[in-house]
Amino acid sequence: AQSVTQLDSQVPVFEEAPVELRCNYSSSVSVYLFWYVQYPNQGLQLLLKYLSGSTLVKGINGFEAEFNKSQTSFHLRKPSVHISDTAEYFCAVKEAGRRALTFGSGTRLQVQP
Amino acid sequence: EPEVTQTPSHQVTQMGQEVILRCVPISNHLYFYWYRQILGQKVEFLVSFYNNEISEKSEIFDDQFSVERPDGSNFTLKIRSTKLEDSAMYFCASSEGSGFHEQYFGPGTRLTVT
Repeated sequence: AQSVTQLDSQVPVFEEAPVELRCNYSSSVSVYLFWYVQYPNQGLQLLLKYLSGSTLVKGINGFEAEFNKSQTSFHLRKPSVHISDTAEYFCAVKEAGRRALTFGSGTRLQVQP
Repeated sequence: EPEVTQTPSHQVTQMGQEVILRCVPISNHLYFYWYRQILGQKVEFLVSFYNNEISEKSEIFDDQFSVERPDGSNFTLKIRSTKLEDSAMYFCASSEGSGFHEQYFGPGTRLTVT
């Protein structure tokens, strides 16, 4: 069965600093990978996706992620964060042939001035 | 930009009662989903629905739960005989079709069972 691990439950970072949120997955079949963001008291917003092709994908709000098949990772990065990036970030995996998304436990990004 | 909507935003019910959570998926989408997130835990898949039938469900989605598309726009989750442990945020999502893998989520309904 597939699983998703987000190694950091909380990541504090200063404004304008770079950040990386880590995500690892396990699956025996091909997968599609996603990052979602949840701002306080809001729903899940799709940040970016990897379906196929280039392993470096760019999303909204200046975020990008790199799919590494050998490491089974899909880490999220941003070169310079803003206060408004403070939110919870969820990595999710969908196995080929299935409809369900499997989510990681989330990483709370706290951007400090 | 089209979005998934959910009503109500917060529902309080007594243990043993039935609740219906409502969702309006994005209009041209064909697949519909329910997920839940118990406070402090992961977002968990409950069920997917396509062409008026369940296409996939998790072990959580037992006989206590049912889904329905009563008309051309709404998608509902019914929970019968609610239990305290059903308290959670319930998210509806939709996606375009079989070749489209990204799912778009609504803002959620917070269900509190007392």
